Amino acid sequence: ILNVEQSPQSLHVQEGDSTNFTCSFPSSNFYALHWYRWETAKSPEALFVMTLNGDEKKKGRISATLNTKEGYSYLYIKGSQPEDSATYLCASHNAGNNRKLIWGLGTSLAVNP
Amino acid sequence: EAGVAQSPRYKIIEKRQSVAFWCNPISGHATLYWYQQILGQGPKLLIQFQNNGVVDDSQLPKDRFSAERLKGVDSTLKIQPAKLEDSAVYLCASSLDRGHAETQYFGPGTRLLVL
Repeated sequence: ILNVEQSPQSLHVQEGDSTNFTCSFPSSNFYALHWYRWETAKSPEALFVMTLNGDEKKKGRISATLNTKEGYSYLYIKGSQPEDSATYLCASHNAGNNRKLIWGLGTSLAVNP
Repeated sequence: EAGVAQSPRYKIIEKRQSVAFWCNPISGHATLYWYQQILGQGPKLLIQFQNNGVVDDSQLPKDRFSAERLKGVDSTLKIQPAKLEDSAVYLCASSLDRGHAETQYFGPGTRLLVL
């Protein structure tokens, strides 16, 4: 089974700080990279689906980039707010995994007011 | 558009008891997934349905877990008998189809504690 790794495991920032985290995934036979946000006691929420090398997507203060050749994606949050506190999960879809998503362990973000 | 519904939200049982979880996907979504998320780990796919047929159940512990999706809509996941290590969040998700770029929409999950 191919692995997806996320770093850091957890992060504490102050309100207003900008932050970023990394998702590393297998670059071979790559199909798509998914980012989700999971707040405690809520449903995981889809943020982005990215398929093309060099792709960059943005949703409000959150943006993501994709490098399929080297197998990594960055998620950026500009001007963090307490409501951004959540676990951010990425998942990779590669041809070698029977077409199922392989999930990372997530980055847990806490934004202090 | 209504989201994915799951029930119950929380369940506490003793080991060796049985438990069942229910999921109602978004209307029109052909693909339904059940995930197990143990604290500190990423979600693990237990079973994937395409309409009412099973696409992937390679990680489902079939000696104790079973799932069905009658009529290709609602689904139930059962554990019988439960073990301590089954304590986890059980997430149901659905997507329009099973393509690699399809967004999966998740329900709120059922938090199971086995004592």
